[in-house]
Amino acid sequence: EAQVTQNPRYLITVTGKKLTVTCSQNMNHEYMSWYRQDPGLGLRQIYYSMNVEVTDKGDVPEGYKVSRKEKRNFPLILESPSPNQTSLYFCASSPRRGGETQYFGPGTRLLVL
Amino acid sequence: QKEVEQNSGPLSVPEGAIASLNCTYSDRGSQSFFWYRQYSGKSPELIMSIYSNGDKEDGRFTAQLNKASQYVSLLIRDSQPSDSATYLCAVSPGQNFVFGPGTRLSVLP
Repeated sequence: EAQVTQNPRYLITVTGKKLTVTCSQNMNHEYMSWYRQDPGLGLRQIYYSMNVEVTDKGDVPEGYKVSRKEKRNFPLILESPSPNQTSLYFCASSPRRGGETQYFGPGTRLLVL
Repeated sequence: QKEVEQNSGPLSVPEGAIASLNCTYSDRGSQSFFWYRQYSGKSPELIMSIYSNGDKEDGRFTAQLNKASQYVSLLIRDSQPSDSATYLCAVSPGQNFVFGPGTRLSVLP
C-alpha cells in the first residue's frame, strides 16, 4: 500500500530533551516536507526537500533540523524542544517537486512540558 | 510574508445545498493551487488541484481560479453531512507551500 508513515504518533517530552520524529514514504517520491498545525494558524511548512541531500527552509524552521540521506526517509529533529513546539506535525511527499499534489502522513502529536 | 486567507467559519449549509468556500492569496507568482479536506483528528486529503484560470470540475466539486484577482474557490454541490470537515486552501509559489487557516464546513441534515 502506497503510504507515508510517521513515528511516533504521540509523544510527550520535557523541555530540552532531544527528539526525532521519523517519516518514511514507499512511493519513490522526490519531494518531502514537514508541517506543523496549530489552532487558528493552519498548516505551516517547516522544511522541505526536493531530493536526497537537498533541503530548504519553509516558513517556520527555527528550532528544527532535518536531513535527507535516503530518498524514502525525512526525519525531523528537535535538538532542544521548547513548549512552543507543542503541536501536531505532518510529513508529506510529492512525486517530483513542489507545486504538485502532496500525500500526507497520519500526523504526530507532540507535547513538550 | 506570503499569505493565504480563508474565512474560518463555521460555514453551515443544509443538506443538498451548494457550499461555497473562498480563498485569497498574496503571491502573484503562485502557479499551483490545491483544496484539501481535513476531518477532525485526521490528516489532510486532496480534493482538487487547479493550475490555470477558469473552472475545474470533479464530481460534486468545482474549483475556480482567477489569477488576476488572486482568488480561488471551491464549490460543493449537493452537500452531504459527510462533507462536514475543515477545508484547507494551499498555494505553491514555487517549491514551497503556503496553507490558509482553513474553513470549517458543517452540513446540516
